[in-house]
Amino acid sequence: DAKTTQPPSMDCAEGRAANLPCNHSTISGNEYVYWYRQIHSQGPQYIIHGLKNNETNEMASLIITEDRKSSTLILPHATLRDTAVYYCIVKYGGGADGLTFGKGTHLIIQP
Amino acid sequence: EPEVTQTPSHQVTQMGQEVILRCVPISNHLYFYWYRQILGQKVEFLVSFYNNEISEKSEIFDDQFSVERPDGSNFTLKIRSTKLEDSAMYFCASSDVIAVQETQYFGPGTRLLVL
Repeated sequence: DAKTTQPPSMDCAEGRAANLPCNHSTISGNEYVYWYRQIHSQGPQYIIHGLKNNETNEMASLIITEDRKSSTLILPHATLRDTAVYYCIVKYGGGADGLTFGKGTHLIIQP
Repeated sequence: EPEVTQTPSHQVTQMGQEVILRCVPISNHLYFYWYRQILGQKVEFLVSFYNNEISEKSEIFDDQFSVERPDGSNFTLKIRSTKLEDSAMYFCASSDVIAVQETQYFGPGTRLLVL
């Protein structure tokens, strides 16, 4: 089972920042927090990942609490194309481990 | 930007038939994966493959499934005798490990329908 907890759905107005929370209270010291999203039935798309420091890339920012038990994915200026299911996944950073997807958060961007 | 490709995009088969799903991972990646997603359900891990052998597999990946890297570019998933419940989207993914941080990149999927 997924080791993360996410709200099943969220709405956000177009142009506003979308803040998606994730709880991972049982995360261990060598596990990273990864975020993926899935638009309709397309393949999951990697967004961002982090260990303990906040991270930012061209798609999003990831804020991880100091105790690492929760994190927030921030889409700074949401567009209609950001409507998707967003998955928060905890995983050891090394290779060849399968990702465990939960049900994610269905983010709906409203015009 | 390099991407994972999968063929075919759709496949319809009769129950009991063998199917082979094909994937071309990103060229410099070393780890390969298959996942499936039954309609309306979660994405589920099937198998990972590294250095020409299975690295990890889930309970779903039973004896009717097999994977192969037949040449330097393709990665295949074979289902020997398809069942109705094998109907799903099948996603291939590949990754490399940089500084102990691995990111998997997914293909667009193959929609398999077993009749």
